[in-house]
Amino acid sequence: QQPVQSPQAVILREGEDAVINCSSSKALYSVHWYRQKHGEAPVFLMILLKGGEQKGHEKISASFNEKKQQSSLYLTASQLSYSGTYFCGTEGTQGGSEKLVFGKGTKLTVNP
Amino acid sequence: GAGVSQTPSNKVTEKGKYVELRCDPISGHTALYWYRQSLGQGPEFLIYFQGTGAADDSGLPNDRFFAVRPEGSVSTLKIQRTERGDSAVYLCASSLTGRPYNEQFFGPGTRLTVL
Repeated sequence: QQPVQSPQAVILREGEDAVINCSSSKALYSVHWYRQKHGEAPVFLMILLKGGEQKGHEKISASFNEKKQQSSLYLTASQLSYSGTYFCGTEGTQGGSEKLVFGKGTKLTVNP
Repeated sequence: GAGVSQTPSNKVTEKGKYVELRCDPISGHTALYWYRQSLGQGPEFLIYFQGTGAADDSGLPNDRFFAVRPEGSVSTLKIQRTERGDSAVYLCASSLTGRPYNEQFFGPGTRLTVL
């Protein structure tokens, strides 16, 4: 089941904040966040694990509510370089597969 | 160090032809993943290798798709009798090890166009 991301798109002015949400209908082991610029590969931002541990870039913060199977990515004091499409990828708890199921993405545009 | 590399970067083929897409993961990464991405969509899982074996191939759409990783490093995705619907960007990713911190590092992708 593909996770649902919201909003689909957001436009900010430099320095403004944004929150991107990711919601799944299944129990999750982890949530991964990636940013993809046009024509480029997705770049790892953050991984959040069931149980509260997380690992990622210092300037990125995120949360993971295991009970609700929801994660949010917080972008503060946005910079022009934050522009791109943000994807969450979810990893289920069942079985040993470590595949990620990605949402459709949230397109973020940061203007000067 | 070197990242994940994929060749070719672009591949144009005719319907019905056979294609091979290659992925060189980051050295030492035991896990390797193939995804495909259509315009405006997130990456769609195809297959996951842990070492030489396919740990999960549940995302392969049909038996025209096959992937190998014979020595546990380079992987090849093979598509037989290509169809126009196979046109997409095929992404490869690798990760150092399995859980818990299995962040995936993506290659630049191969854009496949089936005419």
